[in-house]
Order: sequence, then C-alpha cells, then structure tokens
Amino acid sequence: DIVLTQSPGTLSLSPGERATLSCRASRTVGSAFLAWYQQKPGQAPRLLIYAASNRATGIPDRFSGSGSGTDFTLTISRLEPEDFAVYYCQQYGSFYTFGQGTKLEIK
Amino acid sequence: QVQLQESGPGLVKPSETLSLTCSVSGGSISGHYWSWIRQSPGKRLEWIGYIHNDGTTNYHPSFESRVTISIDTSKNQFSLKLSSVTAADTAVYYCARDDGIRFDYWGHGSLVTVSS
Repeated sequence: DIVLTQSPGTLSLSPGERATLSCRASRTVGSAFLAWYQQKPGQAPRLLIYAASNRATGIPDRFSGSGSGTDFTLTISRLEPEDFAVYYCQQYGSFYTFGQGTKLEIK
Repeated sequence: QVQLQESGPGLVKPSETLSLTCSVSGGSISGHYWSWIRQSPGKRLEWIGYIHNDGTTNYHPSFESRVTISIDTSKNQFSLKLSSVTAADTAVYYCARDDGIRFDYWGHGSLVTVSS
C-alpha cells in the first residue's frame, strides 16, 4: 500500500484566513493520481481536486491543489463558513488509498 | 446529473454476508468503473474494490478473500457482497463512480451494523 499521511490533524482558523493542508505519501505518487475531497458531517465526500491541481466541476477557485512526488498540498485562499469540514487526500496506484483526514474547524 | 443510491439491510449478523446494491440514475452504467468504499467510525475511508461494465474487477487485498462485486447493466445497478462479517465491518458503505483516478459521484451512504 501507499500510505498517505495528512497534516495537521486539526486546523483551527477563522473565516477569511488562508488554509494550507498537507498530504505526504510513503512512495512516489503520479500527479495524475492524487485527488482531494471535502466531507461534511452526515454527507458523502465531495471531489474538490483531481490530478493534483485540477478543480472539479463547480468547485470555487479559492480551492487549489499543488505538489508532486510524495508531497501534495491543498490550499483554500480565503475561508468561507461553508469550508469548515474534513478534507481527505486519495491516491491511485495499483489500488486506491486515502489519508486519515484533516479537520478544518472554526477558531 | 448522475445519482447513486445504496440499498440493503442495515443490520447483519456476525459471520453472515453483507449485501448492498447501488442504483445508478441520470446516466449509463456502461463505460465507467464503479467502486465501493466504506468508512468505519473514527477510521479513514477504505476502498473495497471496483467493477467495470465489462466485468473487470479489482479488489483491495484486505478484502479480496471475502468480497464480490457484480454488475447488472440491464438494471443500471452494481452490488457488493462481503462474507464472514464481524463487528469490524460496521461502517457506512458508499458506492461511487470511478473514472480510473478519482471518485466523481458518490451515493449518500448506507450504514451497516454487524451485530447479533
């Protein structure tokens, strides 16, 4: 398995601030195979970013992804109240794995 | 707009087989991969496996010995069977469309509890 480790576990910020979430892989991940999801309580995950840096349909441009190799980042430029949620990274090698999640909470 | 809906028993006894079906609407099941993913309380999302409409499957090694995913293109449905369940299989089970690198459409999730 490629293990994905996300940091921090919890991030406390205020609306309007910038959020930077990290995803580190135990082995190199092809950039085409790294995605990010947002999950709110009681809901299914929602695709935000695919191929490391491409926004999914309907995702606001305050969300951006970057990185390559073993280090990937999700950035939310200016937090809106609806952005407070749990975020997961996901990779596909011979099979899919997910990170353990970063909880973005209101400070 | 593609929509997915899981259905099946919410309670399964230990050692029995968990069975769920995912109904796809708003688009054809053909030409895509379809996955099952689960989320146990306090744990990360776990990919269980996928199926393509041509019958090709790929299962995570952790589940390979006891999982079967099947597809019925005439009904636009695909299904999950997980045998010999234990309490550790208690989770919310999601079905999702899989385009080979990401999951772009998800069902709402189906909570399955394993208990006698």
